[in-house]
Amino acid sequence: TQLLEQSPQFLSIQEGENLTVYCNSSSVFSSLQWYRQEPGEGPVLLVTVVTGGEVKKLKRLTFQFGDARKDSSLHITAAQPGDTGLYLCAGGPVIQGAQKLVFGQGTRLTINP
Amino acid sequence: NAGVTQTPKFRILKIGQSMTLQCTQDMNHNYMYWYRQDPGMGLKLIYYSVGAGITDKGEVPNGYNVSRSTTEDFPLRLELAAPSQTSVYFCASNTARTAPLHFGNGTRLTVT
Repeated sequence: TQLLEQSPQFLSIQEGENLTVYCNSSSVFSSLQWYRQEPGEGPVLLVTVVTGGEVKKLKRLTFQFGDARKDSSLHITAAQPGDTGLYLCAGGPVIQGAQKLVFGQGTRLTINP
Repeated sequence: NAGVTQTPKFRILKIGQSMTLQCTQDMNHNYMYWYRQDPGMGLKLIYYSVGAGITDKGEVPNGYNVSRSTTEDFPLRLELAAPSQTSVYFCASNTARTAPLHFGNGTRLTVT
């Protein structure tokens, strides 16, 4: 079974600071996805990284896929209160066209004004 | 566009009771999924479906059943509720392969 471990589990920082969240595995993934989840809602996809070493940017968010495709990171520059939420990484095989995603346990991020 | 709709939003069950969690999507997606999310544990796949009439087990299927009679609907059935099934349940759908999953807003279930 593929497992994804995220660190840290909780992070509380001041507005304007930078932060990095990590997603690690001992397994190789063909791709990894990052989701953000707000209270009372389902996760919403932020980005999918597919190629080892790939870097994708989404405004102040930078996502990187490890060269060996076993890990990924999310870096937020100049964090804002609107970035507060639960960040989840996910990956897994495609079986008969369906994605059997495994999720990390999440990083709960709080940005204080 | 409603997307993925789940009902009810909240439910309290007594041990041994049964219930069906409803999920419907209006995006004509072939693939549908049920996940449960426990505090601090991420999401775990319960069952999934690749099309009407075709379902398969995920990581944690015990105690649950599903059916898929139409493309739109994918209900999740709990036959004999147990405290271990207290969780938030999410339904999701997508078109195929690595297409993004669209999640509903979840059903919070408490079994006491």
